[in-house]
Amino acid sequence: AQRVTQPEKLLSVFKGAPVELKCNYSYSGSPELFWYVQYSRQRLQLLLRHISRESIKGFTADLNKGETSFHLKKPFAQEEDSAMYYCALSRKYGGSQGNLIFGKGTKLSVKP
Amino acid sequence: EAGVTQFPSHSVIEKGQTVTLRCDPISGHDNLYWYRRVMGKEIKFLLHFVKESKQDESGMPNNRFLAERTGGTYSTLKVQPAELEDSGVYFCASGIQGRGTEAFFGQGTRLTVV
Repeated sequence: AQRVTQPEKLLSVFKGAPVELKCNYSYSGSPELFWYVQYSRQRLQLLLRHISRESIKGFTADLNKGETSFHLKKPFAQEEDSAMYYCALSRKYGGSQGNLIFGKGTKLSVKP
Repeated sequence: EAGVTQFPSHSVIEKGQTVTLRCDPISGHDNLYWYRRVMGKEIKFLLHFVKESKQDESGMPNNRFLAERTGGTYSTLKVQPAELEDSGVYFCASGIQGRGTEAFFGQGTRLTVV
């Protein structure tokens, strides 16, 4: 079954501490993985995607096919990082973009 | 550039009534998706339009839900008759074709069935 698992419902860290938001997936095929973020009172927005191998707002995520993981990391958390983070996997139809399968989300709280 | 817009932002209806949600995607986006998050659960896919055609409607919960995208522009999602378990936040997203492309989300419509 295709599934995205985010084991932590809530993650609380102090400002300046490292952050790792865990994401594991189950998918038969070549997955496309994303992290979406929802800040308070804002809409869901893309943070980063694995095919870009980019760093956004200091966050990085590496696809580990052996461990079927796509953990989100940041070396030094900032208070403005407090938000809801969703890991998502894109199903594809014949090579074009398909729908997203979301994890349940992890609420990150960064304390001063 | 206007983002994905959803109307209304909040709707409270009685069980058995009909509600129609609307989504205006970003201009030029052929892909349009509907998602739903019910209390305590993950955001779940409902269906996917490519232009006016339904590419995938495997996530539609039952035949009380009807989605349309006439002319390939805006889309509507009608729930008739609404049940209590339909309460949740309904999201619409749009995007262009292509591998790894971003889905742009609307702010969501919070539906409460009482």
